[in-house]
Amino acid sequence: AQSVTQLDSQVPVFEEAPVELRCNYSSSVSVYLFWYVQYPNQGLQLLLKYLSGSTLVKGINGFEAEFNKSQTSFHLRKPSVHISDTAEYFCAVSETFNTNAGKSTFGDGTTLTVKP
Amino acid sequence: ETGVTQSPTHLIKTRGQQVTLRCSSQSGHNTVSWYQQALGQGPQFIFQYYREEENGRGNFPPRFSGLQFPNYSSELNVNALELDDSALYLCASRLGGQGQSLYGYTFGSGTRLTVV
Repeated sequence: AQSVTQLDSQVPVFEEAPVELRCNYSSSVSVYLFWYVQYPNQGLQLLLKYLSGSTLVKGINGFEAEFNKSQTSFHLRKPSVHISDTAEYFCAVSETFNTNAGKSTFGDGTTLTVKP
Repeated sequence: ETGVTQSPTHLIKTRGQQVTLRCSSQSGHNTVSWYQQALGQGPQFIFQYYREEENGRGNFPPRFSGLQFPNYSSELNVNALELDDSALYLCASRLGGQGQSLYGYTFGSGTRLTVV
């Protein structure tokens, strides 16, 4: 079984400040890791993913995340946020060799609010 | 290139009724997954269809069922609706086989189901 814990349910930050959204996961096997963003009344949009290789992953909209296997973490960062980054962010994991094909396990989300 | 389209966008049903939600996959995608997102929570995996066959299922009872059609559009059916079924139902499609995808999913905007 796998699980995802997003350590902060809400993160308020001022515009142009840096931000980190924290994600820890638990799994007995190797995993793929994802971050999604959800704007109000919309579906989820893939920000970035870690599959293998370099532990620092760059995504869209200036976001990046670092995979830390020893700490089982995949924290999302952005050096300077904009008002338009205000949204719900979800961390998700999928087992790399999964008999239950297609299943991604999501955290409960972090609400990022960027204030002017 | 069209994205994932879901219908209807909102729906109100009475406890005990049956409901059918529809999803049109992104062009070229042959795999579809359905997720339930309760208020304030992350999406929960319901099941996945690949080439018209269910090939993955989460912890949902049999009254949650689905279909995938030759054009890769799909339906989610829920029988004997309960109040706890009130949620946002997300459809997600991807191109890939039975195993894990390297590309992540494209999500629709969801159907908001309210059971009263």
